[in-house]
Amino acid sequence: QQPVQSPQAVILREGEDAVINCSSSKALYSVHWYRQKHGEAPVFLMILLKGGEQKGHEKISASFNEKKQQSSLYLTASQLSYSGTYFCGTARGNFGNEKLTFGTGTRLTIIP
Amino acid sequence: EAGVTQSPTHLIKTRGQQVTLRCSPISGHTSVYWYQQALGLGLQFLLWYDEGEERNRGNFPPRFSGRQFPNYSSELNVNALELEDSALYLCASSFQRSTGNNEQFFGPGTRLTVL
Repeated sequence: QQPVQSPQAVILREGEDAVINCSSSKALYSVHWYRQKHGEAPVFLMILLKGGEQKGHEKISASFNEKKQQSSLYLTASQLSYSGTYFCGTARGNFGNEKLTFGTGTRLTIIP
Repeated sequence: EAGVTQSPTHLIKTRGQQVTLRCSPISGHTSVYWYQQALGLGLQFLLWYDEGEERNRGNFPPRFSGRQFPNYSSELNVNALELEDSALYLCASSFQRSTGNNEQFFGPGTRLTVL
């Protein structure tokens, strides 16, 4: 079942913060986050594993709430380069990510 | 290090025709995944190949098929094309580790248009 992402779209001014949520009705083993810029391939951001720690990369971090089966992606002090569509992909198994089920994406637009 | 490559970049076909898309994974990656990205529908999982075997497939009809070669490259075949098959087809590759910590690296995609 496809995870639900919210919001569907958000517009921020440079320097503002954003939170993107990804929720599943099924128990998850891992959540994967990707960013896709228009006309380009998705780019891997990070993986959150069940029982794992909150991850971070520069000003982008994420958490995984196992009780709620929800992951949140945090973008702080957003930069113009953060614009794009963010997808979460969820996996229910612990052998590879044989069947990542992706959400429909959150379109993030950063304006100067 | 070269990334995932796909060919062709663009393709235009008519209904009922057949098409073959190709993907070369990153060197050392044994798994290849195929996704369909239709406008507004996000990424839909199609197929997963690892070590030459089909490991899993998404909710697509049998006219979507593929294979993985000994060098780990892969083909996606779509028979009897329908208008709704028009989409960006993305290939991704990864290592396979038992921990589930397997990031996927995507290729640039093949844009298929069915007229």
